Amino acid sequence: NAGVTQTPKFQVLKTGQSMTLQCAQDMNHEYMSWYRQDPGMGLRLIHYSVGAGITDQGEVPNGYNVSRSTTEDFPLRLLSAAPSQTSVYFCASRGQQETQYFGPGTRLLVL
Amino acid sequence: LAKTTQPISMDSYEGQEVNITCSHNNIATNDYITWYQQFPSQGPRFIIQGYKTKVTNEVASLFIPADRKSSTLSLPRVSLSDTAVYYCLTPNSGGYQKVTFGTGTKLQVIP
Repeated sequence: NAGVTQTPKFQVLKTGQSMTLQCAQDMNHEYMSWYRQDPGMGLRLIHYSVGAGITDQGEVPNGYNVSRSTTEDFPLRLLSAAPSQTSVYFCASRGQQETQYFGPGTRLLVL
Repeated sequence: LAKTTQPISMDSYEGQEVNITCSHNNIATNDYITWYQQFPSQGPRFIIQGYKTKVTNEVASLFIPADRKSSTLSLPRVSLSDTAVYYCLTPNSGGYQKVTFGTGTKLQVIP
């Protein structure tokens, strides 16, 4: 099993550009989520999904969209990138109870 | 709203046992307590989870008193590779759907 995979590993954007961060898992987990982590900070929940076709907002959803068309994939879209969205983005899927499995992260720099 | 409180940082010498205590005064009756470990530039990794008394695995032990208002993660004989940030989590008002991370405890192991 590959677990949770994320692409790209690193991305530089200009203010106003859009992009999609990809996340996939092969563990057949219903629950998936996106977090952002700013330097020296904990993880903040952006959006989450409890299954295909069902998504909801987390703590910091503004500026981000998600969709969940399959169990495996949960992409995160930045509609119009801003410097405040410079961060490391982690995708996770959850197994039993609250055991989350995290991807390797995507480092995003918005100029 | 369940919230956890843990020390911001700790230092320990190699070979010592390290205990990190987390308080969760508002934990609900059915909530589990979960600990994660995060190395620099990596996503968090599940360490241990418990409900009451003591849980032990190959990595750590988790002690939970009868009132469950706190828990202690115990790392036996730490090595330099245990230098990481350790997060204590309990579900918040959104249950397991909206799990949020605090800033964690930064453990520095000293040679």
